[in-house]
Amino acid sequence: GQNIDQPTEMTATEGAIVQINCTYQTSGFNGLFWYQQHAGEAPTFLSYNVLDGLEEKGRFSSFLSRSKGYSYLLLKELQMKDSASYLCAVPDSNYQLIWGAGTKLIIKP
Amino acid sequence: IAGITQAPTSQILAAGRRMTLRCTQDMRHNAMYWYRQDLGLGLRLIHYSNTAGTTGKGEVPDGYSVSRANTDDFPLTLASAVPSQTSVYFCASSVGTTGANVLTFGAGSRLTVL
Repeated sequence: GQNIDQPTEMTATEGAIVQINCTYQTSGFNGLFWYQQHAGEAPTFLSYNVLDGLEEKGRFSSFLSRSKGYSYLLLKELQMKDSASYLCAVPDSNYQLIWGAGTKLIIKP
Repeated sequence: IAGITQAPTSQILAAGRRMTLRCTQDMRHNAMYWYRQDLGLGLRLIHYSNTAGTTGKGEVPDGYSVSRANTDDFPLTLASAVPSQTSVYFCASSVGTTGANVLTFGAGSRLTVL
């Protein structure tokens, strides 16, 4: 079967670094997506990884290990506006996304 | 402003009533999707359309129907609403013809079935 696991909630301090983990099980692999969703709003695309390694995009980086079925999103220099849910998703065998339940990130001053 | 428009934003509906959620995009994206989002669960795909004129069933299609008569519009119909269909519904689209592409989401429609 296919499954995605993420922590339900994390808390971090403004200015710090936080790592949000995602583990997945799929019958094949066609990349992994990260989206950000602020409360009451729509998800917005953050990153896409299809090869192993770290992809850096400003304060946000995303890492993938296909052999371990593992990814993480690294957020640096945290700002209050980073308080949101972070969603991990992978395509299924029909090339439609399967989504994790999301990790709610709470940033404290 | 280019993007996806969903209507209504919010609706309270009596059980047994018929309801259509509207979704229109002006980006000329090929594929469109309907998801529902419930507390504690990930987004779940209801129906999708890879190109105009075609539709497919997602993970939770029962009780819902869709049509894709043209590129821009992708309405979702609940034929006879039930309380378990209380949810936030998101319409999304992608340039690519499968879900394994970057999705652009509408603002969502919050539906309460009593």
